[in-house]
Amino acid sequence: AQKVTQAQTEISVVEKEDVTLDCVYETRDTTYYLFWYKQPPSGELVFLIRRNSFDEQNEISGRYSWNFQKSTSSFNFTITASQVVDSAVYFCALTFNQAGTALIFGKGTTLSVSS
Amino acid sequence: DAGVIQSPRHEVTEMGQEVTLRCKPISGHDYLFWYRQTMMRGLELLIYFNNNVPIDDSGMPEDRFSAKMPNASFSTLKIQPSEPRDSAVYFCASTQMWSGYTFGSGTRLTVV
Repeated sequence: AQKVTQAQTEISVVEKEDVTLDCVYETRDTTYYLFWYKQPPSGELVFLIRRNSFDEQNEISGRYSWNFQKSTSSFNFTITASQVVDSAVYFCALTFNQAGTALIFGKGTTLSVSS
Repeated sequence: DAGVIQSPRHEVTEMGQEVTLRCKPISGHDYLFWYRQTMMRGLELLIYFNNNVPIDDSGMPEDRFSAKMPNASFSTLKIQPSEPRDSAVYFCASTQMWSGYTFGSGTRLTVV
């Protein structure tokens, strides 16, 4: 069975703090894909990153970085120097095929950044 | 590309009424998914299609829910009769091999 766990329900930080959102996944498949989505207060789901199981390199995009560790089945997301605009719900998701199956989502982590 | 288009954005209906949600996927995408988001259950898959054919409808809560995809550019999710517990945000998403999953803006359904 496939499962995504985001143990942090809510996180509150002050602007400019760094924050890490945890994601732990379960799958028996050797080929799988991990995703992060952002859901701002306006409600849409915004794609942030896709990572396949064969690529364990960390990725950095501006203030965002992702740490993928197969040994611990984790795909954590770090925001450096957080801003108020980062306030949103963040979802980690998993699928075992590039497009042939549905995404399985974690419950999400609500990030609140105050000024 | 205009992205995945859902309509209506908001729907308020009375219990017992029929509700139809609509989705236009991105042109060329051959997979279409319907998700429901609630506070209690998070984002859960209802049904998905490949080349207009339903592949997995195990997430459809009960017979009151039905989904169709008559062609590659249109899908509907129908609830008949609607109940207050159906109140949620319903998302449609589409994808194709080697691309990401793109979500529509969602339909916020309120059943009173």
